[in-house]
Amino acid sequence: GAGVSQSPSNKVTEKGKDVELRCDPISGHTALYWYRQRLGQGLEFLIYFQGNSAPDKSGLPSDRFSAERTGESVSTLTIQRTQQEDSAVYLCASSYVGGGNTGELFFGEGSRLTVL
Amino acid sequence: AQSVTQLDSHVSVSEGTPVLLRCNYSSSYSPSLFWYVQHPNKGLQLLLKYTSAATLVKGINGFEAEFKKSETSFHLTKPSAHMSDAAEYFCVVSFPRLTFGTGTRLQVTL
Repeated sequence: GAGVSQSPSNKVTEKGKDVELRCDPISGHTALYWYRQRLGQGLEFLIYFQGNSAPDKSGLPSDRFSAERTGESVSTLTIQRTQQEDSAVYLCASSYVGGGNTGELFFGEGSRLTVL
Repeated sequence: AQSVTQLDSHVSVSEGTPVLLRCNYSSSYSPSLFWYVQHPNKGLQLLLKYTSAATLVKGINGFEAEFKKSETSFHLTKPSAHMSDAAEYFCVVSFPRLTFGTGTRLQVTL
């Protein structure tokens, strides 16, 4: 596609429910990131996928959070047993990394999660 | 390990005066460095990037940044602020993955 696509754009859920957020990166982009941005705050790194390497999960805040990526395509971020503090905008970004080049990040519009 | 520090969480300038947003980094390797901007209720947009070519990098909307290896800095500047520059600015360092600073909120007053 032309850009990074995220769905859903908005999600309201009840505390304790599981949610799944989807990211469709730009075709050919080898790197994919998930970030979280709480209201009025900066970007919090969650997880990084690069090609077929083991993902960097160092930013996941708890074992309720997990993410998968199939090859260099779609990624899903799953939050189990959601809590109110999980309310945030979840941003996905992709870039092309290759030949020593660390390219520009292209961001999706984000998925706004509200946990009641 | 790499890290990036934005020295000011909030900067306020008058319209027409210069802007300076400070960023220092640490990296074991020669990094690529970026500045991103996020306007209220908008997505993140790349302002400029440094990738070991010219040390003075020009970006969009009149912004520029200078890479100073001796000072491990990559400060963002603009000669004359405009009201439309009010936004959140993020300094980013890469290698092997992109790491964001905590952001600087730029306020522009009349």
